[in-house]
Amino acid sequence: NAGVTQTPKFQVLKTGQSMTLQCAQDMNHEYMSWYRQDPGMGLRLIHYSVGAGITDQGEVPNGYNVSRSTTEDFPLRLLSAAPSQTSVYFCASSWGQGALNSPLHFGNGTRLTVT
Amino acid sequence: AQKVTQAQTEISVVEKEDVTLDCVYETRDTTYYLFWYKQPPSGELVFLIRRNSFDEQNEISGRYSWNFQKSTSSFNFTITASQVVDSAVYFCALGPTGTASKLTFGTGTRLQVTL
Repeated sequence: NAGVTQTPKFQVLKTGQSMTLQCAQDMNHEYMSWYRQDPGMGLRLIHYSVGAGITDQGEVPNGYNVSRSTTEDFPLRLLSAAPSQTSVYFCASSWGQGALNSPLHFGNGTRLTVT
Repeated sequence: AQKVTQAQTEISVVEKEDVTLDCVYETRDTTYYLFWYKQPPSGELVFLIRRNSFDEQNEISGRYSWNFQKSTSSFNFTITASQVVDSAVYFCALGPTGTASKLTFGTGTRLQVTL
């Protein structure tokens, strides 16, 4: 059981380049989300999705796009990378049933450096 | 708006000491969930506990225990007889019911356990 798989593990970009961080889960979870982790700031929510075809913004969405065409995949796109986007990115998934939330299951993270 | 405060940035203890990690939260929601996650030096995020706002019972799991006090908006985490393997960053998080993806994290407490 793979859980939440993120690729790549590491990436270096130059300012202005674009790229997509991949995230896939095999647990049939309807909820998926992207967080970024910066020193001293904990994890902050970028975008999230409550099901295929539905996405919404989190706390720090600027500079990022997402789409959710399937239940399994939730890619995060950086259209024009900036040094301020240097961070560790975590994808997470969970299930929910009414008011009952499961814990978030996290991927192993992608460390992105923008020079 | 939701907020989680972990005032202790870093704690150092000697093995076998007990240690308590503090977490104070703010929310206007009447129902919510609280979580603790562990991030060891390898970087992954490991779920430790979830607590529903309806349930103020303390919980013990081996050397770990959690004290949830709604009256003081606190959800503190105690490790008894700490071990070197407990060295990690610990995050407290708050989430609304019914929206499993949207967690607000604290900034984390780094615990260093030495021999």
